[in-house]
Amino acid sequence: DAGVIQSPRHEVTEMGQEVTLRCKPISGHDYLFWYRQTMMRGLELLIYFNNNVPIDDSGMPEDRFSAKMPNASFSTLKIQPSEPRDSAVYFCASSTPGQYSSDIQYFGAGTRLSVL
Amino acid sequence: GDSVTQMEGPVTLSEEAFLTINCTYTATGYPSLFWYVQYPGEGLQLLLKATKADDKGSNKGFEATYRKETTSFHLEKGSVQVSDSAVYFCALSDTMEYGNKLVFGAGTILRVKS
Repeated sequence: DAGVIQSPRHEVTEMGQEVTLRCKPISGHDYLFWYRQTMMRGLELLIYFNNNVPIDDSGMPEDRFSAKMPNASFSTLKIQPSEPRDSAVYFCASSTPGQYSSDIQYFGAGTRLSVL
Repeated sequence: GDSVTQMEGPVTLSEEAFLTINCTYTATGYPSLFWYVQYPGEGLQLLLKATKADDKGSNKGFEATYRKETTSFHLEKGSVQVSDSAVYFCALSDTMEYGNKLVFGAGTILRVKS
């Protein structure tokens, strides 16, 4: 399996622009998570989906952030408009419940976002 | 709510030294406990896990024992290598409370010098 695939790996944009981050989870996984990692705040859970339905978006910082999962193999995290304080590494992870593998999350390599 | 507390880093060791990274947790239920590792420029990956009290998780020479009486899950390795330099995250999963959501500690940077 190719693992969790995120694109792009790096994104540099200017303040006010729209940014879209993409994630393809591991096939067969029915949970998908979006995280943000910064030096100041560490690893923060932004939102997670189960069977394409958002379950908990309490970590989304503000209305400028939105996430969708139109099907089981694709999710997007959008920031509009972007601000310099959004600069961070954004991770996507997926998992599936099961007797022997429940709770294990598999992370993508991340997207490093820089907002100038 | 549930939380995970890790020792602050960075932890700097010489090659072949003994490693301990402390982790304690607060949980209302009976969580599973995890250690994840993040190598430079990469995402997190599972290092080891334990699902109930007194379980010992082990992988790549690392070990951690689920201690319910002290609510701890300390990570240990007998002899570290330069390649172990990474950030280590302790985490818990309380399925009854959060489904498949993980609660992570702040992470501990480990630097191993040759």
